[in-house]
Amino acid sequence: DQQVKQNSPSLSVQEGRISILNCDYTNSMFDYFLWYKKYPAEGPTFLISISSIKDKNEDGRFTVFLNKSAKHLSLHIVPSQPGDSAVYFCAASHQGAQKLVFGQGTRLTINP
Amino acid sequence: NAGVTQTPKFQVLKTGQSMTLQCAQDMNHNSMYWYRQDPGMGLRLIYYSASEGTTDKGEVPNGYNVSRLNKREFSLRLESAAPSQTSVYFCASSGRDTNQPQHFGDGTRLSIL
Repeated sequence: DQQVKQNSPSLSVQEGRISILNCDYTNSMFDYFLWYKKYPAEGPTFLISISSIKDKNEDGRFTVFLNKSAKHLSLHIVPSQPGDSAVYFCAASHQGAQKLVFGQGTRLTINP
Repeated sequence: NAGVTQTPKFQVLKTGQSMTLQCAQDMNHNSMYWYRQDPGMGLRLIYYSASEGTTDKGEVPNGYNVSRLNKREFSLRLESAAPSQTSVYFCASSGRDTNQPQHFGDGTRLSIL
């Protein structure tokens, strides 16, 4: 049973436009959510997180939105840059960031 | 600052062989983790160690053992490797604050024939 789902395996966006990556979860006990970025042959790198007491968190070009009633979160990247091309994973946990449950990942490609 | 270092980077084993994957972190983190990633799937937690001297099972612990050797090092052992354990293995660490994000190593690509 996949508790965290990223239903889009891939996404292609033009440079300078907004990239929106989506993630759905089923476990209502999850209260902490993170996004990681992964380049080939490297480990995931932390991007941004959000606690369930918030509905938005912003860090530079990256904004994460959380809709608890829909059990849905999204990552917005604006403007998108070529270096943003990578696989993005959302992850969720209950009571802190220790036992993370990851989605399958979305491959983002930024086209010049 | 190396962060999280995993050795080896690549390994090929025959079915039934044993193998220990090594992980070390230099960030003075309390918690360490082992994940596996299979094609088309996210990372799945195998085992974790919340602090030196403690280990707990994650989502997919069968076929694996772990040792938290000291605060810096956390090893993952396959006693009798099976083809289903062919995967990329990632080690991670995090600090004392439970909301601190995990920092990952670059992975060990393991193939079992």
